[in-house]
Amino acid sequence: EAGVAQSPRYKIIEKRQSVAFWCNPISGHATLYWYQQILGQGPKLLIQFQNNGVVDDSQLPKDRFSAERLKGVDSTLKIQPAKLEDSAVYLCASSWRLRGRQETQYFGPGTRLLVL
Amino acid sequence: DAKTTQPNSMESNEEEPVHLPCNHSTISGTDYIHWYRQLPSQGPEYVIHGLTSNVNNRMASLAIAEDRKSSTLILHRATLRDAAVYYCILRVSSSNTGKLIFGQGTTLQVKP
Repeated sequence: EAGVAQSPRYKIIEKRQSVAFWCNPISGHATLYWYQQILGQGPKLLIQFQNNGVVDDSQLPKDRFSAERLKGVDSTLKIQPAKLEDSAVYLCASSWRLRGRQETQYFGPGTRLLVL
Repeated sequence: DAKTTQPNSMESNEEEPVHLPCNHSTISGTDYIHWYRQLPSQGPEYVIHGLTSNVNNRMASLAIAEDRKSSTLILHRATLRDAAVYYCILRVSSSNTGKLIFGQGTTLQVKP
């Protein structure tokens, strides 16, 4: 079974530029998560989708970050404009469904972003 | 959300058992205890979870204290591949979201 795919794996940009990350979850997984992991810290949830609807985006900096999952399958996370503090690893995860069953989350390898 | 406390780092020798502790004194009756680990340059991966009883799977064992205020992840024979950051996470069974709230975790070093 193929895992969660993410691209690109690495990205270097200058501050105020824009960047986009792509995630393809495990086939059939209804729930998709984007996490941000700053060096030395644990991952922090940015946004969560159930199919193509947003469940939780309370920690997404909406003035610069946006995400979509138009057809309920793959997803794109965008930052525009980027700041130095956005340097981090962006992790995508998916799970079979949302609630009630302590669903395991499966993580992709992440995209490492460096903002100069 | 209930909080967990873990040591920042631990060391182990290869092929010896490892006991990774986690304190969660404010755990509620509906919180499940989950463990994930993150190998270098990879995303986190699920290890094990439990509610009240001890649990075993092919990767590890989870021992839960009777009062549920602490738990221990047990790796029976550590290998070099087990060197990772181990996260102890509490998840509410009735939560409307499935999000994982990660702490700092315990960095496990395995010496040959």
